[in-house]
Order: sequence, then structure tokens, then C-alpha cells
Amino acid sequence: KAGVTQTPRYLIKTRGQQVTLSCSPISGHRSVSWYQQTPGQGLQFLFEYFSETQRNKGNFPGRFSGRQFSNSRSEMNVSTLELGDSALYLCASSPLTGNVNYTFGSGTRLTVV
Amino acid sequence: GQNIDQPTEMTATEGAIVQINCTYQTSGFNGLFWYQQHAGEAPTFLSYNVLDGLEEKGRFSSFLSRSKGYSYLLLKELQMKDSASYLCAVRGLNDYKLSFGAGTTVTVRA
Repeated sequence: KAGVTQTPRYLIKTRGQQVTLSCSPISGHRSVSWYQQTPGQGLQFLFEYFSETQRNKGNFPGRFSGRQFSNSRSEMNVSTLELGDSALYLCASSPLTGNVNYTFGSGTRLTVV
Repeated sequence: GQNIDQPTEMTATEGAIVQINCTYQTSGFNGLFWYQQHAGEAPTFLSYNVLDGLEEKGRFSSFLSRSKGYSYLLLKELQMKDSASYLCAVRGLNDYKLSFGAGTTVTVRA
């Protein structure tokens, strides 16, 4: 069965631009969580979506937003990019909210110049 | 919130044993996870503990003491392919989100 698919794998953007990242969960998984990974901070929780509703949100500014579609695919958007947004963005899917069976995608490496 | 600490780096010899400690302070606890992450790859699930005690899975074992806010991951019979970052993560009680430690980079030397 296919794993969690994140597109694109790599992205270079300029400060001030906005970016949209995509995550397709494992078939049948309805929960998608997003994390930001940087060398200094490790993995930090951004938000979680379940059945098209945001269930949880981390401590990130409003420039970071997301949504989930009826097929459980999720997108996250970052507006007005800053240099500090350069990171690996990972998504994880699980069958249900609170399920222990989290599977991560390989991530999108975002570089802001 | 959650505060999770683990060592930054550890080095061990092929065939040896390494123990990675993780301590946490949480406002709510609903399980502790260990993940392995090779450079440039997705984190992969290793273990989950929600009750006190030792969970053994092949060469990897994980231990949890909730009263002490302490866990460890034990890697036995180390192989070169075990060189990776090991992430400790705690799940919150009501929000289910995972809070991660900064990760421990394990280097296995021949």
C-alpha cells in the first residue's frame, strides 16, 4: 500500500513569497498532522486535520495555515515567507485522531532565500 | 506544554549496545514514542509505550517510567545501518499532538 506522499520534495522561494505544500495520506487514513523540522528546534507541531476540520494547532504565527479536503489530502500554506521558515516540513497520517499508528512522509525541503 | 530532553550525540561500536535516555515534563501524558530518522528520510516508528515497563521488539527495546518522566531506547547488537537520529516524542492527553525532543544522533563505528 502506498505511503504518505508529499510534494514537492524540494522548493526554493524568495522572502515575502508564499508557498503551498501538499500531503496525500495513506489510503483510509483520515488524520493528517504537519510538523516543521529544523536543526536547532527539532520537530515542532504545526497543526492536525481530521475530517476536513482543524483539531489541534501548534504555536506558529498566523502566516502558517492549512486545510484538508474531502479525500483527506491536506495542504499547508505559508505566506510572507521569512528566512527562518527554511526547514523540512513533514506530514504524518493516521487512521483516526489519537491513533498511535502515525506514518510520516519524506517531507518537503523548503529553502527561503 | 511538554519539555523533552535527550542527549545530542552518542557513538558506539558495531555489535555493542547503546541506551538513549529521554526525560520529559508534561502537562498531560498519553504515550511516548520513539522514531528513527536517517538523514534526508522520513521518521519511522520504532516503539510506543503508554504503561510502565519494558517493550521488546527484536534488537530494539523501550522502557517507560511515568512516575519518573523517563524513558530509554536500547539498541542491541549495533549495526552500521543503525547510524541515524533517534527521536523521543510524547503525546498530549487531550490534544493528541506529538511533542518531540531534539533527537539523538547515534554514530556506529566499525
